[in-house]
Amino acid sequence: KAGVTQTPRYLIKTRGQQVTLSCSPISGHRSVSWYQQTPGQGLQFLFEYFSETQRNKGNFPGRFSGRQFSNSRSEMNVSTLELGDSALYLCASSLGGPYNEQFFGPGTRLTVL
Amino acid sequence: AQSVSQHNHHVILSEAASLELGCNYSYGGTVNLFWYVQYPGQHLQLLLKYFSGDPLVKGIKGFEAEFIKSKFSFNLRKPSVQWSDTAEYFCAVKEGGSYIPTFGRGTSLIVHP
Repeated sequence: KAGVTQTPRYLIKTRGQQVTLSCSPISGHRSVSWYQQTPGQGLQFLFEYFSETQRNKGNFPGRFSGRQFSNSRSEMNVSTLELGDSALYLCASSLGGPYNEQFFGPGTRLTVL
Repeated sequence: AQSVSQHNHHVILSEAASLELGCNYSYGGTVNLFWYVQYPGQHLQLLLKYFSGDPLVKGIKGFEAEFIKSKFSFNLRKPSVQWSDTAEYFCAVKEGGSYIPTFGRGTSLIVHP
């Protein structure tokens, strides 16, 4: 069974630009969560989508948004990039129940110059 | 809000030494507990989890963790580490019935051969 895939793996952008990251979950998984990972801060939860609806949301500004398609693939968008947005963005998928394990993708490394 | 503390940010050990990584959380109700590992250049993967039952949980690669409810702790242990255990370790806690875990900031473990 193929794992969670994320594209692109690396991105370099400049301040003020916007970026879109993509995540393809494991087949059959309906929940996709996004996390921002930075050194010393660990993983911070951005949002979770389940069956095309945002089910949970973290404490990030409105510049961070996402969506999920009918095939469960998800995209995350960051507008008006800031230097502090440089991070590893991780996507995790699961079957969607409260006792289901999350499976993580390799991440997209975003660098903002 | 739920918080998760990993007190050891960096740990350096020699092979065959014993390992214990601390994890404490703040939520007083029912919790689900996890330890994840991120090997250099690899995906975040689940080491072990606790939902209910025996508070001593055994995971992959010889790791175990003990849930002590009275201390709000879920410490990770391994009796004898190997060079291949060099990685970042994350504790995560989920309130019972919720969908999204809160992660600690991680502990970087370096094992010298």
